[in-house]
Amino acid sequence: DGGITQSPKYLFRKEGQNVTLSCEQNLNHDAMYWYRQDPGQGLRLIYYSQIVNDFQKGDIAEGYSVSREKKESFPLTVTSAQKNPTAFYLCASRVQGISNQPQHFGDGTRLSIL
Amino acid sequence: AQSVSQHNHHVILSEAASLELGCNYSYGGTVNLFWYVQYPGQHLQLLLKYFSGDPLVKGIKGFEAEFIKSKFSFNLRKPSVQWSDTAEYFCAVNGGATNKLIFGTGTLLAVQP
Repeated sequence: DGGITQSPKYLFRKEGQNVTLSCEQNLNHDAMYWYRQDPGQGLRLIYYSQIVNDFQKGDIAEGYSVSREKKESFPLTVTSAQKNPTAFYLCASRVQGISNQPQHFGDGTRLSIL
Repeated sequence: AQSVSQHNHHVILSEAASLELGCNYSYGGTVNLFWYVQYPGQHLQLLLKYFSGDPLVKGIKGFEAEFIKSKFSFNLRKPSVQWSDTAEYFCAVNGGATNKLIFGTGTLLAVQP
């Protein structure tokens, strides 16, 4: 079955550490997205990529970095510069260039600070 | 800039009650509108979408939504809710040439048996 796989499901980080969240999709989608979900704030866009080797900042990119070396993969690094990293992180993908196509979501990674 | 407002943050209903969740957006051009649902412990799933044609769209599990262009609204409705509808519901809009989806803050629905 096609889908989006996020790993790990739970992640713990010490202060000052960088951590990388994995997102892999086998839907052959060009566009991929990272969101952060906090209670009462909905989903906020961190970064997105519409094609391999290219990505754009979303609304809350500070303290995060991404790469898009392969179509299937869009890892997110939460750096030590992110002051409040505890959140639920969601990865999504969709068909590029057709705006009425919905985004498909992974199961998410819950990041906590120790 | 595009934005989405969901005015109901928490809704508590009894089974068989009717449901209407409000969603308003700000964007003057052509929009694509979506409702997503997140059941406890599960990933976000598409409930329904509107991009053109009949402004009353039907989705899964008996949900429907009506696009009212003059009111910039896309309210979600269900005539009779069930306990299994307990979830968080997100309205989202994608307008113009952008591929970005803007989400509302979500509405947490609790249905009491």
